[in-house]
Amino acid sequence: LAKTTQPISMDSYEGQEVNITCSHNNIATNDYITWYQQFPSQGPRFIIQGYKTKVTNEVASLFIPADRKSSTLSLPRVSLSDTAVYYCLVGDTGGGADGLTFGKGTHLIIQP
Amino acid sequence: KAGVTQTPRYLIKTRGQQVTLSCSPISGHRSVSWYQQTPGQGLQFLFEYFSETQRNKGNFPGRFSGRQFSNSRSEMNVSTLELGDSALYLCASGTGGYGYTFGSGTRLTVV
Repeated sequence: LAKTTQPISMDSYEGQEVNITCSHNNIATNDYITWYQQFPSQGPRFIIQGYKTKVTNEVASLFIPADRKSSTLSLPRVSLSDTAVYYCLVGDTGGGADGLTFGKGTHLIIQP
Repeated sequence: KAGVTQTPRYLIKTRGQQVTLSCSPISGHRSVSWYQQTPGQGLQFLFEYFSETQRNKGNFPGRFSGRQFSNSRSEMNVSTLELGDSALYLCASGTGGYGYTFGSGTRLTVV
């Protein structure tokens, strides 16, 4: 599984757009990029997944450049409730048997 | 659609005891994975079951075991509990891809 690097923490304010970048220099051809969100004492929640270019859903966008060595999770107009830890994972979507490898994640703090 | 249900939500055990945690996956999901989360080590993969068979196991001692039933419900067992086993134990179910759904976890405290 490709190793990922993301900032340990980030701060922002309500109403701002937040971009969290993840580096994955040794991503493999079959690997997808997936982001999870976790609140204290709860299980991680799937946010978004992508392979290349841009993916958008009702909560976030995921930007992946052509070389796929990094990706950026974009959260539009954040609110206090977006304060959480965000994890970037890289791996083969059929790789459930290997388990999900979570790094330290990015602790996002949203202030009023 | 019901989510992943883990029971109990909280548990306090004494060193040396054993504990069994339960996970009911989303209906139709045949893959169930277990994770341990601690402040120091973060989220770590324990093992995964698919159609009652353990497909893979993380780097945990043999005191940690699990099983899956024909209805996809899963249990994990920890024997001879140690203080370091205090953690949030999370179960996730899925269909084989990366969009796994996690339960709220069982908070185990070993005293």
